[in-house]
Amino acid sequence: EVQLVESGGGLVQPGRSLKLSCAASGFTFSNYYMAWVRQAPKKGLEWVATISTSGSRTYYPDSVKGRFTISRDNAKSSLYLQMNSLKSEDTATYYCARSDYSGIDYWGQGVMVTVSS
Amino acid sequence: DIQMTQSPSFLSASVGDRVTINCKASQNINKYLNWYQQKLGEAPKRLIYNTNNLQTGIPSRFSGSGSGTDYTLTISSLQPEDFATYFCLQHNSFPNTFGAGTKLELK
Repeated sequence: EVQLVESGGGLVQPGRSLKLSCAASGFTFSNYYMAWVRQAPKKGLEWVATISTSGSRTYYPDSVKGRFTISRDNAKSSLYLQMNSLKSEDTATYYCARSDYSGIDYWGQGVMVTVSS
Repeated sequence: DIQMTQSPSFLSASVGDRVTINCKASQNINKYLNWYQQKLGEAPKRLIYNTNNLQTGIPSRFSGSGSGTDYTLTISSLQPEDFATYFCLQHNSFPNTFGAGTKLELK
């Protein structure tokens, strides 16, 4: 069974940093692209980042480019999202997601990040 | 960036009804369109991938169609467990973009 478990969320002040983690199990982690997607309160979903199987290629939307960094450790079956210079508009539930050739197929339960002073 | 316009935002229906939800892309997305279901407090679940392929384990009352810029999710006969929020995702190009969602409610 595919399982994706996020951690590392919480309350952080504007301008500070936070690192999210995602522990994957139930599949061969190194064979899949992985992604982060977020959902602000009462808002729609926004794709945040994608990383290739080896980690050599990463993709971001303009809204987070230069502030967020996605990375992975295939030996630990873990995905990460380093978030710097956080803004109030980054407040959201962040989902770890697995991506196959057909886009995102599995999602974690999500972790809440609140950016507020 | 490709914009995804999803309609309707809200849909009120009864058990047994046939319902359709639409997503329109701002440009051709070559059938790289997925549909997801999300229930309150749960992780989203993929229903359909690449326009019309049913995810393993999803009931056959769910189906997808479309091409070019216009795509549709159809639920042929609503069941009580289908009342949820549905959204589309285009993965033809980065940035991947989502529809705003359709909340399906019991009439």
